Amino acid sequence: QVQLQESGPGLVKPSQTLSLTCTVSGGSISSGSYYWSWIRQPAGKGLEWIGRIYTSGSTNYNPSLKSRVTISVDTSKNQFSLKLSSVTAADTAVYYCARDKPYYGSGTWGQGTLVTVSS
Amino acid sequence: SYELTQPPSVSVSPGQTARITCSGDALPKQYAYWYQQKPGQAPVLVIYKDSERPSGIPERFSGSSSGTTVTLTISGVQAEDEADYYCQSADSSGTYEVFGGGTKLTVL
Repeated sequence: QVQLQESGPGLVKPSQTLSLTCTVSGGSISSGSYYWSWIRQPAGKGLEWIGRIYTSGSTNYNPSLKSRVTISVDTSKNQFSLKLSSVTAADTAVYYCARDKPYYGSGTWGQGTLVTVSS
Repeated sequence: SYELTQPPSVSVSPGQTARITCSGDALPKQYAYWYQQKPGQAPVLVIYKDSERPSGIPERFSGSSSGTTVTLTISGVQAEDEADYYCQSADSSGTYEVFGGGTKLTVL
């Protein structure tokens, strides 16, 4: 059974770049037809879809974040990553990685990792 | 940008039926998905493709679609169903995904 685990700094300074990695275990990130996604949730608020990368390498991003977001895959490490540039306090949130099967939704999620943007 | 609209809260007594709606202009063209989230936990998929239920999800969870509105129905609500529920779907071109604002289900 595939499991996902987010990792990365819990504290990022304003204007810097937030970098997170999601490690996939129990299966290969390059097998099958899946989207590998990032979602975030500020404390006490709702879910916000950030973006995704398909098995083929194609990406889709939230239009409101598109200019600051990059999602990439490292098949050699069985990981995918999120980079969010020019962060502000508004980017403080729990960040989740998830695996989506097209038309079947996000059936597998990581436990989430809290990232705080503060000086 | 595209938005999905959910009621902020729904309250029901145990054993009754809860209905949570989600409205969006592209819902006639795009499938909807529903997630349950309990405090401190990651979301769990409870409905996919408008009305399909993943394995392991109780039969009391069902989904339906009509025009620009999709509905999550929980029949015979139990105390353990108290949670936040989110709908998710794509914009009309399928370029990006959006979550509704979430609905807090309270079991009285």
